[in-house]
Amino acid sequence: EAGVAQSPRYKIIEKRQSVAFWCNPISGHATLYWYQQILGQGPKLLIQFQNNGVVDDSQLPKDRFSAERLKGVDSTLKIQPAKLEDSAVYLCASSSLGHYEQYFGPGTRLTVT
Amino acid sequence: AQTVTQSQPEMSVQEAETVTLSCTYDTSENNYYLFWYKQPPSRQMILVIRQEAYKQQNATENRFSVNFQKAAKSFSLKISDSQLGDTAMYFCAFSRSPYNNNDMRFGAGTRLTVKP
Repeated sequence: EAGVAQSPRYKIIEKRQSVAFWCNPISGHATLYWYQQILGQGPKLLIQFQNNGVVDDSQLPKDRFSAERLKGVDSTLKIQPAKLEDSAVYLCASSSLGHYEQYFGPGTRLTVT
Repeated sequence: AQTVTQSQPEMSVQEAETVTLSCTYDTSENNYYLFWYKQPPSRQMILVIRQEAYKQQNATENRFSVNFQKAAKSFSLKISDSQLGDTAMYFCAFSRSPYNNNDMRFGAGTRLTVKP
């Protein structure tokens, strides 16, 4: 079974630039999560999708962050414009409906200079 | 609000020995779920073990076991017969519902190094 795929693995941008991350969950997983993991901290949920609908985006900085999952499969997370404090690893995870285990991707390490 | 605290930023253990990682949490809920996740240097996070608060019996998965003290709000992870592959960041996590993970809270993590 293929795992959660993310790209790119690394990205370096200057502040005020835009960046987009892509995630392809495990086939058949209805729920998809985006987490932000700042160095030295645990992951923090940004947004959760169930199929193509948003379940919770209360911790997503909506003035600069956006995410979509148009066809209920893969998802993109965008930051526009980026700030220095956005430097972090962005993790994508997926899970089956009614199952507790989340499967994580390898993450995208973003550095904003 | 639920909080998760891991007070040991770094720990080390000799190969084949036993190590215990600590975790405390704060909640007013009676039913909830606790997890330990492992994040190796490659960054792919995987679930190690979980515990349902309504179960008194401590969860065990091969060399990994937990000591769940509900009254003390403590949830420690014991790794027996440590192996080099156990070297990783370990995160304790709390969720009110495993079927609605949008409220999962992670601790800051403990970096474990297993020495040969």
